[in-house]
Amino acid sequence: ETGVTQSPTHLIKTRGQQVTLRCSSQSGHNTVSWYQQALGQGPQFIFQYYREEENGRGNFPPRFSGLQFPNYSSELNVNALELDDSALYLCASSFWQGNIQYFGAGTRLSVL
Amino acid sequence: GENVEQHPSTLSVQEGDSAVIKCTYSDSASNYFPWYKQELGKRPQLIIDIRSNVGEKKDQRIAVTLNKTAKHFSLHITETQPEDSAVYFCAALKTSYDKVIFGPGTSLSVIP
Repeated sequence: ETGVTQSPTHLIKTRGQQVTLRCSSQSGHNTVSWYQQALGQGPQFIFQYYREEENGRGNFPPRFSGLQFPNYSSELNVNALELDDSALYLCASSFWQGNIQYFGAGTRLSVL
Repeated sequence: GENVEQHPSTLSVQEGDSAVIKCTYSDSASNYFPWYKQELGKRPQLIIDIRSNVGEKKDQRIAVTLNKTAKHFSLHITETQPEDSAVYFCAALKTSYDKVIFGPGTSLSVIP
């Protein structure tokens, strides 16, 4: 098992609500990436954080936002939840630039 | 934009046979190609990777080949076992920027 931990493991929300997901990176890793994995699909890149700054972003609207803290842990915030936001949200940590990404177990979000 | 295609989407093999999964990528600047195995309800786990300066890499029953000219890479599993049953994702990225583009996945079933 990797040292990447995510919380909560499961979450149920209703449309229009807001949600915050948390990720603690593996010891020594300074980069955190977030992915959305819909059922039966591959993970889709949301964004990446390095040294508390957003380093890149996938094709997700601005209501998906994030933070990275000085200890390299990270949060993913999603505002105005939509039914299509129901998915497994994975975070992955790594060293900067091209090193292996290690995934957490994910947070399963259901939007009703 | 960047895209990774993966075939087949489902694959069934008899225990002991070989399995081959093929991927193509669109961004010629991609230079790192990891493969992840995801068992049902679990996190993606890195099983093997290859960098663009290498044509082939082996690790016990698993091998990966890369054809940079054709922008193809493949995963080969020999002597398959029931515990190899899972969804396999190929991915591509540029090591100067850790945005990982995943393929859509291959569901491998190994029949005892």
